[in-house]
Amino acid sequence: EAQVTQNPRYLITVTGKKLTVTCSQNMNHEYMSWYRQDPGLGLRQIYYSMNVEVTDKGDVPEGYKVSRKEKRNFPLILESPSPNQTSLYFCASSYGGDTQYFGPGTRLTVL
Amino acid sequence: ELKVEQNPLFLSMQEGKNYTIYCNYSTTSDRLYWYRQDPGKSLESLFVLLSNGAVKQEGRLMASLDTKARLSTLHITAAVHDLSATYFCAVDVEGYGNNRLAFGKGNQVVVIP
Repeated sequence: EAQVTQNPRYLITVTGKKLTVTCSQNMNHEYMSWYRQDPGLGLRQIYYSMNVEVTDKGDVPEGYKVSRKEKRNFPLILESPSPNQTSLYFCASSYGGDTQYFGPGTRLTVL
Repeated sequence: ELKVEQNPLFLSMQEGKNYTIYCNYSTTSDRLYWYRQDPGKSLESLFVLLSNGAVKQEGRLMASLDTKARLSTLHITAAVHDLSATYFCAVDVEGYGNNRLAFGKGNQVVVIP
């Protein structure tokens, strides 16, 4: 089944404790992105990638890192999480500029 | 800075009637996407509009794109309860399909009997 998977789905952590949210797709898509969704703000793109080793900043990259060492994986790294990074995170992938497929989401709470 | 504005942010629809929701944007992009999100769920792609004048239809939903007016519309025909959801439009910021997207804040639609 074609899908985008994210792990973990839920995470509660404390300020400053490094964490990684994994994202994997099995559709051989070149394009992948990370978004955060906050009430009343819609979705905001954090980072995006057009292919392996090609990543760029979106609207809100501060406090986040990404890497794209393999085509199927695009992890989101929070080196020192802060409470303002409490949010719902979505990973997405697409073939070129076509239909984007979203993962199920990761709800992160930073205390 | 690109702005993507969706109107109205909240819309209560009566079953059986027709409605239109709007997505305005401030860049010259000719690529626009519509998504649907049900409460507590992820986003599902509805339409990909890749040129001026593009029109796509699926069931009771029809989306169109006017790049000169920087406007996309999502028309709902004979609304039914199953169409209750939040609809997001997203614009290709640089207009050439490099995956840099900006989303609107969404149109929350509730269809009542």
